[in-house]
Amino acid sequence: GAVVSQHPSWVICKSGTSVKIECRSLDFQATTMFWYRQFPKQSLMLMATSNEGSKATYEQGVEKDKFLINHASLTLSTLTVTSAHPEDSSFYICSAKETYEQYFGPGTRLTVT
Amino acid sequence: AQTVTQSQPEMSVQEAETVTLSCTYDTSESDYYLFWYKQPPSRQMILVIRQEAYKQQNATENRFSVNFQKAAKSFSLKISDSQLGDAAMYFCAYRPGANNLFFGTGTRLTVIP
Repeated sequence: GAVVSQHPSWVICKSGTSVKIECRSLDFQATTMFWYRQFPKQSLMLMATSNEGSKATYEQGVEKDKFLINHASLTLSTLTVTSAHPEDSSFYICSAKETYEQYFGPGTRLTVT
Repeated sequence: AQTVTQSQPEMSVQEAETVTLSCTYDTSESDYYLFWYKQPPSRQMILVIRQEAYKQQNATENRFSVNFQKAAKSFSLKISDSQLGDAAMYFCAYRPGANNLFFGTGTRLTVIP
């Protein structure tokens, strides 16, 4: 089956620094990738949708200048959390779409101290 | 607005017994898909079962089956012969056409040995 990887699986960073999370589709090309945020014991909240070669579409309430998304190739999308603050601590999940199916990465736990 | 409602925050089932998780959705679309995802403690999202709205026949995957009531906009998941490995968060999800997924709030399933 299709595999999506995320790196790193967990990261701790200091307040004010930036951190980049990579999402890769390992065995298929993904024209569309999605980034979700999940708070403890809550559902997945869609942050943005990115299409290869074009700007990401952000959901209402998501700061595009804080959460920079780059979908540079058909197999790689990155999410950069800029000037991170403790309230950005969360679990971030990416998903890649192949034709009609959507496959999820294992997630990245971000802790901002 | 498209919404997915899971009215059971928590459910429990005795090992080897059967449990049904409820899900209702609201949509004005005619072409859509419904999904159940499982999120174990590892937090990897795993697709359990998929239902195309145009299909009247309920989807089945081994011990997992759905009861799809299109007119009532209901999409419940039945797990038969429950196993300890079934313990997880279960999310109902809706997707209009080829667009992104909308998730419910989830149901935490506990399997009692």
